[in-house]
Amino acid sequence: DARVTQTPRDKVTEMGQEVTMRCQPILGHNTVFWYRQTMMQGLELLAYFRNRAPLDDSGMPKDRFSAEMPDATLATLKIQPSEPRDSAVYFCASGLDYQEETQYFGPGTRLLVL
Amino acid sequence: AQSVTQPDIHITVSEGASLELRCNYSYGATPYLFWYVQSPGQGLQLLLKYFSGDTLVQGIKGFEAEFKRSQSSFNLRKPSVHWSDAAEYFCAVVGTSYGKLTFGQGTILTVHP
Repeated sequence: DARVTQTPRDKVTEMGQEVTMRCQPILGHNTVFWYRQTMMQGLELLAYFRNRAPLDDSGMPKDRFSAEMPDATLATLKIQPSEPRDSAVYFCASGLDYQEETQYFGPGTRLLVL
Repeated sequence: AQSVTQPDIHITVSEGASLELRCNYSYGATPYLFWYVQSPGQGLQLLLKYFSGDTLVQGIKGFEAEFKRSQSSFNLRKPSVHWSDAAEYFCAVVGTSYGKLTFGQGTILTVHP
């Protein structure tokens, strides 16, 4: 049963610290999405990769957030420095095609910045 | 830009009762529409999707949804709700040049025994 995996599942850190979240897309998928879920804003798209290339990161605060795909099996989302307002659940999703196929979501990383 | 509205923040139904969750979208052309379910502490699971063709689509877990272009709606239905259906449900639309999902705010479903 192929699934998107995310690590860590939970992260508590102090303001100013660097946070790295990792995602392993389903093997063979060529699109990766990062979403953030908060009570106030709901689910928001942060970044989109296709064939490891970032195609849209307009939803991501550029000054502190960065997203990369070092290889086809790993996507990372970093926050440096972290702030309390970054507290949220971060989801990774992967898919096979940007238009026709659905996105398969990982279980999320719950981040709390104190 | 596309948008999705789920008018009901919270719905409570009795087990065995029928269910309808409302979703309205805003998009100039025919959108791709989705319903996802999120159980507490879990990621989102796709229930069903509409791309084209038959406007009544069947999904997993006994759910169905009907696309009504005239009403810009894509309501989710289930004839008989089970306690395990208690979760949060999200309607979403893809309408841009790539698979950028725009989600509604979600509807929390509570099921009474």
